Amino acid sequence: AAGVIQSPRHLIKEKRETATLKCYPIPRHDTVYWYQQGPGQDPQFLISFYEKMQSDKGSIPDRFSAQQFSDYHSELNMSSLELGDSALYFCASNLGTGGEKQYFGPGTRLTVT
Amino acid sequence: SQKIEQNSEALNIQEGKTATLTCNYTNYSPAYLQWYRQDPGRGPVFLLLIRENEKEKRKERLKVTFDTTLKQSLFHITASQPADSATYLCALNRDDKIIFGKGTRLHILP
Repeated sequence: AAGVIQSPRHLIKEKRETATLKCYPIPRHDTVYWYQQGPGQDPQFLISFYEKMQSDKGSIPDRFSAQQFSDYHSELNMSSLELGDSALYFCASNLGTGGEKQYFGPGTRLTVT
Repeated sequence: SQKIEQNSEALNIQEGKTATLTCNYTNYSPAYLQWYRQDPGRGPVFLLLIRENEKEKRKERLKVTFDTTLKQSLFHITASQPADSATYLCALNRDDKIIFGKGTRLHILP
């Protein structure tokens, strides 16, 4: 069965640079969630989209923005990167609203130097 | 604000025994509660969901209970195996997002 696809899997950026992370949800899933997980931490919810509209917002810095496109894939744009942004970024998808049974991608490991 | 506490950071269980993990929450009772498994460097994997009107849910060797009076969920793995070693995350819903606990690292000792 198709899973959530994230690209790139690894990304190294320097401080103050910009990064774009991509997420391709499971086919027919219309909701996408973004999470940030620091070392030894639990996943922290950043933002979610349902049917291409932002549905909920968590602890996403103002330097970050995201959107969901007509084909339901989503992109997380991160600007003015800081050392503290180094983390695993997960995308998850499911069908409909409510947050139930989210299917997570393999993650993008972002390292800011 | 809603807080989630998982009983311990790490838990060592002998192979073949039952592992029991605890998730406690404060404030309001969520409509449902979920358990995920996470292996190092990988995304969480959904295991079980239990709704507020359900007392217990089972899936193969896994069992989850939900006590809204105690504001607690218990997650059991029976006949534990070394392959069950992982971090287990409890998650509560709030609107469209879920809030994760910090997880319990479970080690099944052969």
